[in-house]
Parts: sequence; structure tokens; C-alpha cells
Amino acid sequence: NAGVTQTPKFQVLKTGQSMTLQCAQDMNHNSMYWYRQDPGMGLRLIYYSASEGTTDKGEVPNGYNVSRLNKREFSLRLESAAPSQTSVYFCASSELISHTVNTEAFFGQGTRLTVV
Amino acid sequence: GENVEQHPSTLSVQEGDSAVIKCTYSDSASNYFPWYKQELGKRPQLIIDIRSNVGEKKDQRIAVTLNKTAKHFSLHITETQPEDSAVYFCAARTLGSQGNLIFGKGTKLSVKP
Repeated sequence: NAGVTQTPKFQVLKTGQSMTLQCAQDMNHNSMYWYRQDPGMGLRLIYYSASEGTTDKGEVPNGYNVSRLNKREFSLRLESAAPSQTSVYFCASSELISHTVNTEAFFGQGTRLTVV
Repeated sequence: GENVEQHPSTLSVQEGDSAVIKCTYSDSASNYFPWYKQELGKRPQLIIDIRSNVGEKKDQRIAVTLNKTAKHFSLHITETQPEDSAVYFCAARTLGSQGNLIFGKGTKLSVKP
């Protein structure tokens, strides 16, 4: 049982380059999230997808786009990378609805991105 | 949108002492409050959570309390051990809606042997 899988684990980009971070979950969760983690700033929500076919902006969406490809996969794209986007990126998934269903959010292992 | 404040940002205790981390939230509609532990270089993992229909929940040395009126919740760790050293995050979310999961900025807990 893999849980949440992110690729790649590490990436170095030059300013202006583009890339897509991939995320897949095998727990049949409806909701998926992308966070960035910077020192002293905690986990900040970039985008989330409450269910297949929907995406919404989080706290820090500027400079990013997302695609909920299907129920399993949720990708994050940087169209023109900037040094300010140097961070550790985490994908997560959870169930959302109902007071009786386990709603724990499970995280991927993270992607360490450096933009030079 | 939801805003979660967490204090303190760093906390240092002696092994065996208790540690308390506090969070406040802004959205009165939030009704699910998880706590995550993140060890250095690893992913965050859930350690305990509480829903708004209860005021307290305990799991061995870890407990969480919730005050809905004041919109704050706290993590209590008793009999701390060196392996409790990590960064702890609180979060808030609204169940049964399209709500997202918003985190506090984290507390770095150091337990000195």
C-alpha cells in the first residue's frame, strides 16, 4: 500500500523554466492538496481539490496551476519558476465528507525544489 | 477564509516534563482539528485529532482539548521523551463541506535528556 506518492523527490530549476510535480494516491480519497513548506512559515496551502473535477485556490496560489487528472492524480505546475518558489512541496489526500469517516490527511514524502 | 495561529514557535522542555502547544482559529464553522508531527526531513504524520462535538480526547501521553466558544485548541504531551522532539502542527477544517485544511506555522519542540 503506497499511500501518497510524489515525484520527483528533488529538482533544481533555472529561473523561468517550467515543471510539473506529480502526485498520486491509492486510498480512493476524494480530496487532494498541495502545500509548500518554508522555514518558519509552516505548511501553506497552494491549491486543493475537494473532489474529482474541482479545484480551488488556497492561501498562496500565485505562480502555480493544478490539474485533477482523475481521482488518483493531482499535479502542480510551475509555468515560469522564480527563486521565491524554492521550497519543499507536499501533496496530501484525505476523505472529506461525513462525521464518521476517518478524515486523516496523508502526506507524500515531499519534493525539494530549488530555483536558481 | 480560515486562519490558524499557533504558539509558541519553539518550546524546550526537560525529559519527563509536560509540553503544551496552543492554537486559535478564526472560522466558527471549522469542526475538525488535527495535530501533526513532523520529524526532521520527513513528512507530517497525524498524531491525534478532535472534532467539535467533544471537548477533550486522549491517547496515552497525548491529549487535545477544544474550546469552541473561545475558538482555541491545545495539544498536551505528558512525560516527554527525547523522541518527542519534532515540529508539531495544528490544523483546522470544516467537515461535510468543500472546506480545505489550514495549518498553523508549527512549534519546534526540543526535549532535553
